Amino acid sequence: DTAVSQTPKYLVTQMGNDKSIKCEQNLGHDTMYWYKQDSKKFLKIMFSYNNKELIINETVPNRFSPKSPDKAHLNLHINSLELGDSAVYFCASSPTSGSLTYNEQFFGPGTRLTVL
Amino acid sequence: AQKITQTQPGMFVQEKEAVTLDCTYDTSDQSYGLFWYKQPSSGEMIFLIYQGSYDEQNATEGRYSLNFQKARKSANLVISASQLGDSAMYFCAMREGSSGTYKYIFGTGTRLKVLA
Repeated sequence: DTAVSQTPKYLVTQMGNDKSIKCEQNLGHDTMYWYKQDSKKFLKIMFSYNNKELIINETVPNRFSPKSPDKAHLNLHINSLELGDSAVYFCASSPTSGSLTYNEQFFGPGTRLTVL
Repeated sequence: AQKITQTQPGMFVQEKEAVTLDCTYDTSDQSYGLFWYKQPSSGEMIFLIYQGSYDEQNATEGRYSLNFQKARKSANLVISASQLGDSAMYFCAMREGSSGTYKYIFGTGTRLKVLA
């Protein structure tokens, strides 16, 4: 009964490769996000999608391309990986307005990406 | 300018004592939300507490309370009766925008160490 799941949990790859991280939520939320957490633990939003539509794209290189096939899934594809892409990537989801007041985000467990 | 400022990179507290983690924010929105998350060494992001900008009472959740001072734009987290398991990174976050286009901005975090 995992709420927000990500695969893989760890990803080790060489510079220049292309890789994908998958995210799924079973909470029925409308909005999903990708965050990057660097080695100093700074958490920065990369993208958000609402009902499969891109809402936020925060000055992220074009090598990063999110894809949302349906509102329960938000995948992140990264082309031509660079050393600086090494980080933990978190997927999150949140409801839009409705009966829930908080609209807090539910986070996935994170994917630790290491680029060699 | 930083929208969320956490001025304490690290804090120590003795077990069973209370500790306050500081957070100040900057927004021109009238409606916004403030959140605290805990990130233990295992890496997951755990939602702790929420305060809405229109809430007149300070939020409380068990041993967590949020000291909300709107005029000063501060939203400090108070943890009472600290436990060893409270040792973790703590992030303050602010939600801006409107339903469907929410954006969450995180502070740089405070690393809390509870001493036995």
